[in-house]
Amino acid sequence: DAGVTQSPTHLIKTRGQQVTLRCSPKSGHDTVSWYQQALGQGPQFIFQYYEEEERQRGNFPDRFSGHQFPNYSSELNVNALLLGDSALYLCASSTTDVAGGFYYNEQFFGPGTRLTVL
Amino acid sequence: KNEVEQSPQNLTAQEGEFITINCSYSVGISALHWLQQHPGGGIVSLFMLSSGKKKHGRLIATINIQEKHSSLHITASHPRDSAVYICAVRSPRSNQFYFGTGTSLTVIP
Repeated sequence: DAGVTQSPTHLIKTRGQQVTLRCSPKSGHDTVSWYQQALGQGPQFIFQYYEEEERQRGNFPDRFSGHQFPNYSSELNVNALLLGDSALYLCASSTTDVAGGFYYNEQFFGPGTRLTVL
Repeated sequence: KNEVEQSPQNLTAQEGEFITINCSYSVGISALHWLQQHPGGGIVSLFMLSSGKKKHGRLIATINIQEKHSSLHITASHPRDSAVYICAVRSPRSNQFYFGTGTSLTVIP
């Protein structure tokens, strides 16, 4: 089992460009969450995908969008890049197992994609 | 105010020392995670706790649900333990994580 994989590992873009980051979840996982981690900060939740739909969203503008495919892999798209979008983007996968309205399943993180916007 | 607060922010220890990192949170949770992040970014999940205490090798994690507090202990610290340790709590209704800003640990030989 390869665990959670992300591509590319590093990426350099310029302001105004668009970027697509990719994530393949751990085998057997159906839920993918994306996080942004700025330098020296803890990760911030962007959104979560389940059954090919965005289920939860953090406090990020519409420039950040995503997609989940039938094989549960996911993409994160960022349009009109700003310098402040430079960060490590982390993907985490889990299964969605809800008991009594509560989530119990552990999330596994990928290695991240480091995006630099110049 | 951040939902998750960690202390200390930075920690330097001599090899062999006993280390404690603290985490306090202010929201209801279904689970608390201790994560390890090495330079380069990859995050490894060390523990997932919803009550009590867990131990893996030299690492021990405890949680007090009533006090909304958790601690990560490292016994007989080693230079390879040098990393950023992040406390994260999971919302029970959304599965969303709230992260602390991390504790940067350096263990000197």
